[in-house]
Amino acid sequence: EAGVAQSPRYKIIEKRQSVAFWCNPISGHATLYWYQQILGQGPKLLIQFQNNGVVDDSQLPKDRFSAERLKGVDSTLKIQPAKLEDSAVYLCASSFAKHTGELFFGEGSRLTVL
Amino acid sequence: GQQLNQSPQSMFIQEGEDVSMNCTSSSIFNTWLWYKQEPGEGPVLLIALYKAGELTSNGRLTAQFGITRKDSFLNISASIPSDVGIYFCAGHPRASSGSRLTFGEGTQLTVNP
Repeated sequence: EAGVAQSPRYKIIEKRQSVAFWCNPISGHATLYWYQQILGQGPKLLIQFQNNGVVDDSQLPKDRFSAERLKGVDSTLKIQPAKLEDSAVYLCASSFAKHTGELFFGEGSRLTVL
Repeated sequence: GQQLNQSPQSMFIQEGEDVSMNCTSSSIFNTWLWYKQEPGEGPVLLIALYKAGELTSNGRLTAQFGITRKDSFLNISASIPSDVGIYFCAGHPRASSGSRLTFGEGTQLTVNP
């Protein structure tokens, strides 16, 4: 069974530039999550989708971050404009059911903002 | 929001030793989970606990869901070099819309051969 696919694995940009990350969840998983993991910390939820609807985006900095899951399958997370403090690993995860903590994570996309 | 206090922050042990780490919260959780993250990878689920008092094993790993529903521990017996990684506890407050999985800050485990 294919796992959660993410790209790119690494991205280096200058502050005020924009960046986009892509995620393809495990086939059949209706729930998709984007987490931000700053070095030395645990993952923090940015946004949760159920199919193509948003379940929780309360911790998403909406002035610069946006995410979509138009067809209820793959998803894109965008940051525009990026700040130095956005340097982190952006993890995508999926789960079969909505109210479960049993998540399957991708390898992550490491962002460095200079 | 909910916060999980995970301890210790790091552990340096010899191969073959047993390891114990724990997680506490000021809030009640309905589900406790333990994940392991290796360098350059995403976290991988090790054990999920759904009932207060539950004790669950997965090979050399054993985890318990505290009776108060505010804590959990993870034990690793007879550690081996491939146990190296960061172990995260995670709590899920309730099975309802908007409930968010919260992660601890992690325990970095180093195993010396």
